[in-house]
Amino acid sequence: GAGVSQTPSNKVTEKGKYVELRCDPISGHTALYWYRQSLGQGPEFLIYFQGTGAADDSGLPNDRFFAVRPEGSVSTLKIQRTERGDSAVYLCASSLNRGTGNEQFFGPGTRLTVL
Amino acid sequence: AQSVTQLGSHVSVSEGALVLLRCNYSSSVPPYLFWYVQYPNQGLQLLLKYTSAATLVKGINGFEAEFKKSETSFHLTKPSAHMSDAAEYFCAVSDFGNEKLTFGTGTRLTIIP
Repeated sequence: GAGVSQTPSNKVTEKGKYVELRCDPISGHTALYWYRQSLGQGPEFLIYFQGTGAADDSGLPNDRFFAVRPEGSVSTLKIQRTERGDSAVYLCASSLNRGTGNEQFFGPGTRLTVL
Repeated sequence: AQSVTQLGSHVSVSEGALVLLRCNYSSSVPPYLFWYVQYPNQGLQLLLKYTSAATLVKGINGFEAEFKKSETSFHLTKPSAHMSDAAEYFCAVSDFGNEKLTFGTGTRLTIIP
């Protein structure tokens, strides 16, 4: 079956621009997660959705970052006024339902480069 | 706050040799522990997870890990390395009731023919 998909796979933008990164979770998965992976580091948690609502956004680094999941399926991560430090691979994951210990299925990521 | 330490950012083993990747966690309560593998240009894939059942956990591709509370460790092992095991491996932890995963910095495994 189809896994988690993310578009675009690569995004190059200029400092100060606005970007949107899209995540399509596995069909039927109610929980959706965003992580950010900088070069040489492990993924870092950004935000978690259960259904349409953000249940935990404690990992968002500042108010330039925002994510939505309006219909409880596809999610968009939005970054305003991009900075060079935002360059990283942005990973999306989904799981069947909420619950610690549930397997999170990861997409291939979007590589964001801010020039 | 949860944290995970993976000792050795790069590990090289000969084909057929034992693979041992180290992971130590910090947690005040028994956590949930995971090992993920990342192949080039692919998403993270779950190898195995510990969720307070058996302390020795068997995963896919012949990998296993043992939860040792006294050592706060969850090391990943495989008796005999295969060329296809070359990848980056991440240990991750979450607390009960907390959905997010906290990852280590990863260990890149190289297999020597």
